[in-house]
Amino acid sequence: QSALTQPPSASGSPGQSVSISCTGTSSDVGGYNYVSWYQQHPGKAPKLMIFEVSKRPSGVPDRFSGSKSGNTASLTVSGLQAEDEADYYCSSYAGNNNVVFGGGTRLTVL
Amino acid sequence: QLQLQESGPGLVKPSETLSLTCTVSGGSISSTNDYWGWIRQPPGKGLEWIGSVFYSGSTNYKPSLKSRVSIFVDTSKNQFSLKLSSVNAADTAMYYCARHVAYADYLPYWGQGTLVTVS
Repeated sequence: QSALTQPPSASGSPGQSVSISCTGTSSDVGGYNYVSWYQQHPGKAPKLMIFEVSKRPSGVPDRFSGSKSGNTASLTVSGLQAEDEADYYCSSYAGNNNVVFGGGTRLTVL
Repeated sequence: QLQLQESGPGLVKPSETLSLTCTVSGGSISSTNDYWGWIRQPPGKGLEWIGSVFYSGSTNYKPSLKSRVSIFVDTSKNQFSLKLSSVNAADTAMYYCARHVAYADYLPYWGQGTLVTVS
């Protein structure tokens, strides 16, 4: 299976909104509503931020939202805060219980 | 609250077998319909799923690692373990264990990770 495609970097100023894309194929992102997003701060374990395209686990701020169109999913962070600066990874179900991650996007808060 | 903790040697010699164990607390490893997985992250690089195991022992592995990987579960100890054989420098990474929700392939709980160096 191939990794999902993410931009290597994204940035925004405090208070702004920024979106990160995750492009797959009709066999993964486009075929199922099972895209998830993870946040990883330096030296820390990844943290689940979004699952099933747009659902937030308990405790995740509603500034984080997810969506999908065709073979591309997106994570949007609204009202950017300094603490949102981190690496973000997407993942998608592909029908065989083999987890595939995107290459990761480093989000910088300017 | 479910917690996971990795343990094992931090240094492994080339060509030998890497062995790690994940201890699950705050819940039973056999009480859910979920898998339990291993993920690794080489220094400065992205996440790579290695494989997952169901409490019954059923497994799924990343195809490119399948020939070298074994993941098994010990329900009596509430643990699951990873063995990766014939390691080389490219296997140097932070290794994480996680709960793997199978129906949608997402990972809601992660261990803190353990760094394994092959040298």
